[in-house]
Amino acid sequence: QQQVKQSPQSLIVQKGGISIINCAYENTAFDYFPWYQQFPGKGPALLIAIRPDVSEKKEGRFTISFNKSAKQFSLHIMDSQPGDSATYFCAASIRGSARQLTFGSGTQLTVLP
Amino acid sequence: GAVVSQHPSWVICKSGTSVKIECRSLDFQATTMFWYRQFPKQSLMLMATSNEGSKATYEQGVEKDKFLINHASLTLSTLTVTSAHPEDSSFYICSATSRRTFYEQYFGPGTRLTVT
Repeated sequence: QQQVKQSPQSLIVQKGGISIINCAYENTAFDYFPWYQQFPGKGPALLIAIRPDVSEKKEGRFTISFNKSAKQFSLHIMDSQPGDSATYFCAASIRGSARQLTFGSGTQLTVLP
Repeated sequence: GAVVSQHPSWVICKSGTSVKIECRSLDFQATTMFWYRQFPKQSLMLMATSNEGSKATYEQGVEKDKFLINHASLTLSTLTVTSAHPEDSSFYICSATSRRTFYEQYFGPGTRLTVT
């Protein structure tokens, strides 16, 4: 019940295309859903996050879509660039749990020039 | 803002020795600090959660006598890998939550540990 399932495991997109990564969860107590970007040999960096009281959040080329009834959320990267090539992790946390993050398994994104 | 540093960034040690990794929040006071372990091409695995001045809470399966965590202040936590063995070789990452933005977890750059 604490799992966050992420797909796809890897994704190859042409430059300028849209990258879409999906996550699903079971625990309805999750109330914070961040996405992290990680480059090889580096720590994850917070990209964008959403709370379940909104269905969409956009920051620049990055958009989170959130479907509370389906218990799913996704990351959309518009106009994907080679510099976006990295591993992306979705995560979720619960209020009162010291905000421990439950991570998805990660998606390795490659954007071809 | 919200910068977390780790030191060292990489370390090589011999089997049987101990290694200490520092995690600092540079421009904020951390409510809580977390330690993760990450194997190549895998997700982050939470090892322990620590609050300043109290004992760390370890995740199931993590040996607390092997991975000693000390949260000395609101800006510093240390992870000591005692009697390291080759299977302890991994990428160790810390993170911290800010008192100001309780939800967001800020990650350090990671420490690559290689035990020979």
